[in-house]
Amino acid sequence: GENVEQHPSTLSVQEGDSAVIKCTYSDSASNYFPWYKQELGKGPQLIIDIRSNVGEKKDQRIAVTLNKTAKHFSLHITETQPEDSAVYFCAASFNNDMRFGAGTRLTVKP
Amino acid sequence: GAVVSQHPSRVICKSGTSVKIECRSLDFQATTMFWYRQFPKQSLMLMATSNEGSKATYEQGVEKDKFLINHASLTLSTLTVTSAHPEDSSFYICSARPGANTGELFFGEGSRLTVL
Repeated sequence: GENVEQHPSTLSVQEGDSAVIKCTYSDSASNYFPWYKQELGKGPQLIIDIRSNVGEKKDQRIAVTLNKTAKHFSLHITETQPEDSAVYFCAASFNNDMRFGAGTRLTVKP
Repeated sequence: GAVVSQHPSRVICKSGTSVKIECRSLDFQATTMFWYRQFPKQSLMLMATSNEGSKATYEQGVEKDKFLINHASLTLSTLTVTSAHPEDSSFYICSARPGANTGELFFGEGSRLTVL
């Protein structure tokens, strides 16, 4: 089955800096890659996603890149703000079977 | 995005009692919903897939008699933790998918269960 690895497990950046979180997946058939943001005590929120027919997608300060050959995808957050502090999960999905990474705890210091 | 609602958000119960958690898709129908358990500072652990009108599919190691799942309608799935014990204390989260093959998955707000 699919195995998703996520790095780093924790990330601390200064406000205004960029943050990058990377994930790799094992199943080359996976074709949908969402990213979720989870704040303390809440459920995960979908913040951006990308499908296998696209290499990059951007939504304001958030972007995701996908390298299908290497089977890795990354989340990029620019101009980070304290409210970006949360746990971020990547996931890879094929045929509605979705597997999650272990999560990255992002801390943005003011 | 689509809205998934969970209730209650927090519940405290005594050991030996049963607790029911509801998951509703508010603006779409979901033939399939998913239940997860999340331990502190850990990822989401899929417990079971809830199928409308049929039995749930449980992940390996999850006791189906302990965690009863009912998906009686296209907008409601329930998880009942039976004879709860302190080790069942956890954050339980549900999710649902608006379209059959879109891949998009939306999560509820989560339910914090504390068993005394």
